[in-house]
Amino acid sequence: GAVVSQHPSWVICKSGTSVKIECRSLDFQATTMFWYRQFPKQSLMLMATSNEGSKATYEQGVEKDKFLINHASLTLSTLTVTSAHPEDSSFYICSALPGLAGGVIYEQFFGPGTRLTVL
Amino acid sequence: AQSVTQLDSHVSVSEGTPVLLRCNYSSSYSPSLFWYVQHPNKGLQLLLKYTSAATLVKGINGFEAEFKKSETSFHLTKPSAHMSDAAEYFCVVSELGNTGKLIFGQGTTLQVKP
Repeated sequence: GAVVSQHPSWVICKSGTSVKIECRSLDFQATTMFWYRQFPKQSLMLMATSNEGSKATYEQGVEKDKFLINHASLTLSTLTVTSAHPEDSSFYICSALPGLAGGVIYEQFFGPGTRLTVL
Repeated sequence: AQSVTQLDSHVSVSEGTPVLLRCNYSSSYSPSLFWYVQHPNKGLQLLLKYTSAATLVKGINGFEAEFKKSETSFHLTKPSAHMSDAAEYFCVVSELGNTGKLIFGQGTTLQVKP
């Protein structure tokens, strides 16, 4: 089956530093990747849509200058949390979409998530 | 706008008894609906999906869901709960327009007691 990996699985950093999270589709090419944020005991909140070779589309209320997204290849998207603060501590999950063809929505495949703790 | 509402934030069942997790949706058109499961500190796994084919959808691990347009519901069921079913379950609707975006419900925590 399709596998999506995230690295690192967890990270602890000091306030004011930047953290990069990688999302890779291991056995398929993903034209579109999504980044979600999940607070404890809560649902997933879509942060942004990442399309290979173009700028990410951010959801309302998400600071694009704080959460930098790069989708440089069909198998890799990165999320960089810049100048992280304790309120950025969360579980970040990515998903990858193999493609949209003829109006058919292919299944999204989710990564295992990255737990970010900012001290 | 598309949306889903999970009617129970927490469901507790005994092992071996049936499971019912309720989900209502709101959509102007025939939606694509999904159920995902999330085990602690893990990614989401697709249990099943409805995409306007058969209204009774069978998924993995013995789960199934029935799409009822008249009731705008897509409840998840399983005849007999197993301890390993304890997890967070999300009812999800796909956004219109082939964007690929998913809209998540608030989640239901399933507790399975021995």
